[in-house]
Amino acid sequence: GQNIDQPTEMTATEGAIVQINCTYQTSGFNGLFWYQQHAGEAPTFLSYNVLDGLEEKGRFSSFLSRSKGYSYLLLKELQMKDSASYLCAVHTYNQGGKLIFGQGTELSVKP
Amino acid sequence: DTEVTQTPKHLVMGMTNKKSLKCEQHMGHRAMYWYKQKAKKPPELMFVYSYEKLSINESVPSRFSPECPNSSLLNLHLHALQPEDSALYLCASSQDRASPSPEQYFGPGTRLTVT
Repeated sequence: GQNIDQPTEMTATEGAIVQINCTYQTSGFNGLFWYQQHAGEAPTFLSYNVLDGLEEKGRFSSFLSRSKGYSYLLLKELQMKDSASYLCAVHTYNQGGKLIFGQGTELSVKP
Repeated sequence: DTEVTQTPKHLVMGMTNKKSLKCEQHMGHRAMYWYKQKAKKPPELMFVYSYEKLSINESVPSRFSPECPNSSLLNLHLHALQPEDSALYLCASSQDRASPSPEQYFGPGTRLTVT
C-alpha cells in the first residue's frame, strides 16, 4: 500500500528554524517533492529530491534518505509569509508517474 | 512562461446545471492533470492526460467528464453535480509523466460551489 506521514500542524517563531518531517512507504518510488500552499491558492514547487542527501535553495533545504523512506524540509530565518501548508509528495514510476500527496503540515509562524 | 491558467476563478452552480472548467498552458508540456482539493486536505488526483490521451482516471464519477482538445488545453465538463462536489479544482501540467523533471506546475484553481 501507499502511506505518507507528516505532522498535521507545527508552530514556530519568526526568525527561527523549523524542520518538517515526512516518512513514506510507497511502491515505485522515483523521487520526493515538497510543495508550499497558502490558503486558497495553488501549490507552488519548492524542491524535488531523487538522490540521498541535502539540497539547499536559499532559506529552504530538503533532505532525502531513500533507504529510510524519510525526507525533511528545513526552513531557516522564518518569516511570517512562510505560514502555509507544506505538502510532501512521492513521485512514482509505476503508477503512471502520478504524485501521491501526504496530508500536509500546517505551519504557523508567530512573531 | 511558466504559467498555468484556469477559468473561471469561482463558479456557483445548481445540481441540474452543466458547466465547464478550463485550463491552459503554453509551456509545451505533454502531461496535464485535474485534481480536486477539499479544505485542509491534499489535492486528490482525478485524471491524467498524456499526449492528449486519457491515461489515468482515478475512478471518478461520470458526472465529471474531462476533455483535452489539444496539447495546451484541458477542460472538465460538469453535469448533475452534488453539493459534496464543492471544492477547489486544480489543473496542473508537467513536461511528461516520466521525465527527469516531473515537476507539476499548478494553476490557481477554480473554487466550485454546488448548491
